[in-house]
Amino acid sequence: EPEVTQTPSHQVTQMGQEVILRCVPISNHLYFYWYRQILGQKVEFLVSFYNNEISEKSEIFDDQFSVERPDGSNFTLKIRSTKLEDSAMYFCASRDRLAGTETQYFGPGTRLLVL
Amino acid sequence: AQSVAQPEDQVNVAEGNPLTVKCTYSVSGNPYLFWYVQYPNRGLQFLLKYITGDNLVKGSYGFEAEFNKSQTSFHLKKPSALVSDSALYFCAVRDAGGKLIFGQGTELSVKP
Repeated sequence: EPEVTQTPSHQVTQMGQEVILRCVPISNHLYFYWYRQILGQKVEFLVSFYNNEISEKSEIFDDQFSVERPDGSNFTLKIRSTKLEDSAMYFCASRDRLAGTETQYFGPGTRLLVL
Repeated sequence: AQSVAQPEDQVNVAEGNPLTVKCTYSVSGNPYLFWYVQYPNRGLQFLLKYITGDNLVKGSYGFEAEFNKSQTSFHLKKPSALVSDSALYFCAVRDAGGKLIFGQGTELSVKP
C-alpha cells in the first residue's frame, strides 16, 4: 500500500540554523500539507500546497518558513533560522486529486529539536 | 470558525469491554469528520471518516463512529477493546479550505 514517507526521522539543530524537512507524498496525489505537533499539544496546520503554489498558510507559517516541490516527487519544508519554539514533530500529508476523496494520509513525521 | 473538542484527555477501558472516545464539533455547513490514531513515535493513521450517507461509519481495526447532527458529535466506538488499541486518538474536521482542524487528542489505555 502506498504511503507518505519523511526524512529525516529525527533532526537536532542549533538555534538560528536552517533545516530542511523532506517528504515524498503518495504518487498521483496533488494536494500536500504540513502540520506540526508540539510535544503534548494538538496537531496544528502549517501550510497547504497545490499546483505548485501555497493554497493556505497559518499564522505560524511566517517568513521563516517556506515550502517547495523541487522535482515532482519531493515536498520540502524549510525553516530558515530555527527558534527554540520550532521544536516539534512535523508531519507531511497528501491527498488524492479526485473529487470526493477527502482523506489526508500522513507520513511518520520528523522530530525536530532546536537547541 | 470550525473547531473540534475531545472532552476526555484519557479513557481507560478493560480489554474485551466496549470503548467510546468522544468528539464534538462546530462547523458551518456540512461537516467532513475524521478519526486518526497515533501510536507511540509513529505518524497519524487514518481510521475512518464521515462525509455523507449513513450516520454509522465503519473503519479500520474494528472501529466505528456515529455521526449525530443534532448533538454535533462524532464519537469513536469499538465493541470489544484490545490492549493493542492503546494509543492517542484524534478527531478532526475538514474546513472549507481543505485543511484539517484537530481536537486535542484522547489517550486510550486498554488494560488486560
